[in-house]
Amino acid sequence: NAGVTQTPKFQVLKTGQSMTLQCAQDMNHEYMSWYRQDPGMGLRLIHYSVGAGITDQGEVPNGYNVSRSTTEDFPLRLLSAAPSQTSVYFCASSRARVNSPLHFGNGTRLTVT
Amino acid sequence: KQEVTQIPAALSVPEGENLVLNCSFTDSAIYNLQWFRQDPGKGLTSLLLIQSSQREQTSGRLNASLDKSSGRSTLYIAASQPGDSATYLCAATQGGSEKLVFGKGTKLTVNP
Repeated sequence: NAGVTQTPKFQVLKTGQSMTLQCAQDMNHEYMSWYRQDPGMGLRLIHYSVGAGITDQGEVPNGYNVSRSTTEDFPLRLLSAAPSQTSVYFCASSRARVNSPLHFGNGTRLTVT
Repeated sequence: KQEVTQIPAALSVPEGENLVLNCSFTDSAIYNLQWFRQDPGKGLTSLLLIQSSQREQTSGRLNASLDKSSGRSTLYIAASQPGDSATYLCAATQGGSEKLVFGKGTKLTVNP
């Protein structure tokens, strides 16, 4: 099994550009989420989804959009990139909403200049 | 609001030593607490999940305990090896929610 796959691995954007970070899981997991990891800040939840067609905001949702049209895919869209969005982004999934281990992708390192 | 703290931020031990990593949380109304390992440039790998009703979980040389009343969890690593070198993160669910709140991690170095 591939698990949680994130693309691209690295990306450089200019301020104001938009892009989509892709996330796909092949484990038929119900729950998917996006985190960003910044030095000194730890991991912070951006958006999450408890099933296809259902999304909700996490701790730091501003500047990001998500959708969940299928169980497998959970893309994260940056609407107008800002230098403050320079970070490492992780997608994660779990079999159930509660009390299931979280499986992470290998991350996307994004730099906004 | 749940806050998760891990102290120390870094720990260096000689190979073969038994060690304990600490995690504290402020809101005891948790569904579960999870321990993860992160290698440089990689995502997190789930190590152990302790549900609210459990006191401990074991996997190989790893044992995690949970004390909700004191807001503490510990990860015990027996007979440490250089391959155990990584950053270890704990995460607790936010009260009444499935959302995980992460600590900033303890960077462990096991010296040969």
